Amino acid sequence: EAGVVQSPRYKIIEKKQPVAFWCNPISGHNTLYWYRQNLGQGPELLIRYENEEAVDDSQLPKDRFSAERLKGVDSTLKIQPAELGDSAVYLCASSLGDRGHSSYEQYFGPGTRLTVT
Amino acid sequence: KQEVTQIPAALSVPEGENLVLNCSFTDSAIYNLQWFRQDPGKGLTSLLLIQSSQREQTSGRLNASLDKSSGRSTLYIAASQPGDSATYLCAPHQGAQKLVFGQGTRLTINP
Repeated sequence: EAGVVQSPRYKIIEKKQPVAFWCNPISGHNTLYWYRQNLGQGPELLIRYENEEAVDDSQLPKDRFSAERLKGVDSTLKIQPAELGDSAVYLCASSLGDRGHSSYEQYFGPGTRLTVT
Repeated sequence: KQEVTQIPAALSVPEGENLVLNCSFTDSAIYNLQWFRQDPGKGLTSLLLIQSSQREQTSGRLNASLDKSSGRSTLYIAASQPGDSATYLCAPHQGAQKLVFGQGTRLTINP
């Protein structure tokens, strides 16, 4: 079974430029998450989707970040314009969700390392 | 607000030792707790999930325990190997689906 797929793996951009990250979750997983991980820290949740619906976006900086999950499968996270402080690893995760304790186990992709210069 | 602390921040031991990684959390009203490992430059790999009603969970040489009332979890690694070197992250589930992470313990196993 394929895991969570993310692309690109690495991205270097200049500040004020836009950038987008793509995620394909594990097949059949209804819940999709985007996290940001700063160097030396644990990941922090940015947004959670249940199928197509964003059910928790309280930590998403909405002035410059946006996300979508069309058809409840793939998702895209966008930053426009990027700032120096956005340099981090952006992780996507998925879970089955809604079927008991074990279904909430989250599986992570390899992440996209963003460097803003 | 849930806060997660992992002690120690870094640990270096010789190969073959048994070791314990500690995780404490401030809000005991958790749904599950997951332990992950993260290799340098990689994503997170789920090691174990302990449900709130469980006291422990085992997978191979790994054993994780959970004491909800005291806000603690431990990850026990038996007979450590150089391939176990990684950062280990603890994450209680706040509600069913929100993970709150600690900063991790960076483990080095010396051959």
